Amino acid sequence: DAKTTQPPSMDCAEGRAANLPCNHSTISGNEYVYWYRQIHSQGPQYIIHGLKNNETNEMASLIITEDRKSSTLILPHATLRDTAVYYCIVRVGNYQLIWGAGTKLIIKP
Amino acid sequence: NAGVMQNPRHLVRRRGQEARLRCSPMKGHSHVYWYRQLPEEGLKFMVYLQKENIIDESGMPKERFSAEFPKEGPSILRIQQVVRGDSAAYFCASSGTGFDQPQHFGDGTRLSIL
Repeated sequence: DAKTTQPPSMDCAEGRAANLPCNHSTISGNEYVYWYRQIHSQGPQYIIHGLKNNETNEMASLIITEDRKSSTLILPHATLRDTAVYYCIVRVGNYQLIWGAGTKLIIKP
Repeated sequence: NAGVMQNPRHLVRRRGQEARLRCSPMKGHSHVYWYRQLPEEGLKFMVYLQKENIIDESGMPKERFSAEFPKEGPSILRIQQVVRGDSAAYFCASSGTGFDQPQHFGDGTRLSIL
């Protein structure tokens, strides 16, 4: 079973920041949080990952709470092409990604 | 494009036939993973391989399914005597060596069983 909980769907206006929450209250001290997205009929696309510090790359920012029980993925200026299902995943062991149902993010013009 | 390459993108088989799905990892990656996805669901882990070794096949059905990653050439997921329930999207991912290396995915093979 997935170790994460995400809202099933969210809307965001184009040009605004999209903030996607994720709860992972049973995360262990050495387990990483990974974010992927999947656009219809394509393979999952890696976005970002982190352990305890906040992370930023060219796609997004990842904010992890101090107790590590939750995190937020931030897309700073959402575009229509960011419409996708976003998966927050806690990696179990060295490699197993356990996928939940994700959040369906719809960017509206 | 140096990404993970999967072929074919679509595969149609009749019940009882064999299906062979291929995956070429990203350049420099020696770890390959196979996942299966049913419609409206998340991916389910099947098997993890390194060159010439199966590391973990705990997610793969015990019968009819097999996987290999030979010294030369792509990784192959083989499904013998396919049944309707095998219809799904099969995704391959690869990663480099390192504890937190992310897995990068191909665009999958959509298998349809008639």
